[in-house]
Amino acid sequence: KAGVTQTPRYLIKTRGQQVTLSCSPISGHRSVSWYQQTPGQGLQFLFEYFSETQRNKGNFPGRFSGRQFSNSRSEMNVSTLELGDSALYLCASSSGTGLEKLFFGSGTQLSVL
Amino acid sequence: AQSVTQLGSHVSVSEGALVLLRCNYSSSVPPYLFWYVQYPNQGLQLLLKYTTGATLVKGINGFEAEFKKSETSFHLTKPSAHMSDAAEYFCAVSPAGGTSYGKLTFGQGTILTVHP
Repeated sequence: KAGVTQTPRYLIKTRGQQVTLSCSPISGHRSVSWYQQTPGQGLQFLFEYFSETQRNKGNFPGRFSGRQFSNSRSEMNVSTLELGDSALYLCASSSGTGLEKLFFGSGTQLSVL
Repeated sequence: AQSVTQLGSHVSVSEGALVLLRCNYSSSVPPYLFWYVQYPNQGLQLLLKYTTGATLVKGINGFEAEFKKSETSFHLTKPSAHMSDAAEYFCAVSPAGGTSYGKLTFGQGTILTVHP
């Protein structure tokens, strides 16, 4: 069974640009969560999607948005990039039934110059 | 509200020695507790989790953790460290009952170094 796949693996952008990250969950999983990981703030929850609906949201500005498609694949978008958005963005999938055993992808390393 | 405190951002042990990584949590509701490991340039891998039942939880790679409600702790241990255990370890908490909807609250992480 394939794991959680995140693309691209690395991204370099400049301030003011926007970026879209992609996540393909484990087959059969309907929940996709997104996390931001930085050395200073650690792992912070961005949002969670289940069956194309956002069920939960962290404390991030509106520049951070996401969506989920009918095949459970998810995308995360960050608009008007800031230097502080440089981070490892991790996607995790689960069945969504509540025990929250999350399976993480290897992440997308975003650098904002 | 929930929070996690991992005592010690760096822990160093010799190969074959006991590994003890400390985690204390704060939660206004019964918690689910997790330990994850992250190797360089990789995502997080679940080591073990506590939901209900037995308070001593065994995980992968010889790790185990004990949920102590009175101490609000969930420390991770391994009797004998191996070089391959060198990684960063994260303790995490979510509210029990399955309503966290993907949200785990993580500690700041502990980097484990294993010396030959």
